[in-house]
Formats: sequence, C-alpha cells, structure tokens
Amino acid sequence: DGGITQSPKYLFRKEGQNVTLSCEQNLNHDAMYWYRQDPGQGLRLIYYSQIVNDFQKGDIAEGYSVSREKKESFPLTVTSAQKNPTAFYLCASSIPGSGGYTFGSGTRLTVV
Amino acid sequence: KQEVTQIPAALSVPEGENLVLNCSFTDSAIYNLQWFRQDPGKGLTSLLLIQSSQREQTSGRLNASLDKSSGRSTLYIAASQPGDSATYLCAVKINSGYALNFGKGTSLLVTP
Repeated sequence: DGGITQSPKYLFRKEGQNVTLSCEQNLNHDAMYWYRQDPGQGLRLIYYSQIVNDFQKGDIAEGYSVSREKKESFPLTVTSAQKNPTAFYLCASSIPGSGGYTFGSGTRLTVV
Repeated sequence: KQEVTQIPAALSVPEGENLVLNCSFTDSAIYNLQWFRQDPGKGLTSLLLIQSSQREQTSGRLNASLDKSSGRSTLYIAASQPGDSATYLCAVKINSGYALNFGKGTSLLVTP
C-alpha cells in the first residue's frame, strides 16, 4: 500500500544537539512538506519541496534545515538554533496543483 | 495571508445526533479545501477534498460543502458514533501558494 512513513515515532533531544527526522513516501508525489503542531496553535509550515533538489522556507523555518536528494525522501533536521523544538512534527506529500495531501503518522520530539 | 477559522473549538454530543462543523477562510481565491481527522497523538487522515469548482463532496455519513463567495465550508456528520470522537481540521490551499493553511480544529466528543 502507498503511504508516508515517518520515523522515529518518539525522539528525545539534548540541549545543543542536532536531530534528524525521517520522512519517506512511495506515492510518487512530487511535492513534500513539513509541518509543526503545537497545542492550541494548529499546524504551521516549516519547509516544502516541489521537486527534487529544490525546497522553500515556510512560515517558521528558522532553526530547521531540509534536503531533497530523492523524490521519495524529505528529511528534516532540527538544529541547536531552534530554541523551542518540543512539538509534534508531521510530514506530508501531494501532487502539485489540485491534488489532496497525504500525511504521515508524525514524530513527537521532546527536549530533555 | 489566508486565515482559516473553525467554530466551535470543542463540541460534545450524544450518540446518534447529526452535527455540523464550520470552517471559514478570508481569501476566496482558493484551489481546494480539505477536511482531515486527527486522533490523539496520531497523524492526519484525509476525509474529503473539495475542488474550487465543486460545491460539495460526500463519503458515507460525511458531507462537506463549499461556498467560495462567502468563504465558508461545513462538514456534516450524520448519525454520530463514539468512534467519530476526534479533532477535525479544515485546510485551504490558495491559488498563489503551495501549502495548506490550517484552522486550529474542532475537538469532537460523541458520548454513548
């Protein structure tokens, strides 16, 4: 079955550490996205990519970095510059244009 | 910037009731609108996708309508069941953008 796989499901980060969240899709979608979800704030866009080797900043990109070397993969790195990284992170993909979005099951990141 | 508002923020109903969730958006130049369901600690599951040229979409007990001119969408759930308890999110894709703009969601509780 086609879908989006996010790993790990839970992740703990120490102060000053960089961590990478994985997102893989086998839907053959060109576009991929990373969202952050905080209680009471809704989903906010971190980065998105319309095609391989190209990506754009979203509304809250500071402290995050991404790469898009393969169509299937869009990893997100939370750097030490992100001062409040504790949140639920969701990856999504879509067909550019009028297609709907498919989401992964999320990664919960906690700073310890 | 597109603002998406969902009312009410929370709703509790007894099993068997029909109910309506509301979503409003400020920019009527949208590509499409998508309703999602989110269970606690989980990712988003797509329920219905309405293209800008459509007025409504139906899936089982769910019916979503779209009125672009007034900037509104409603999600109608017929004969509610305890298994419908979840948070329902409305998301809009605007013509000039690439990513979805989300409302903060309606938390639904259906009691037996």
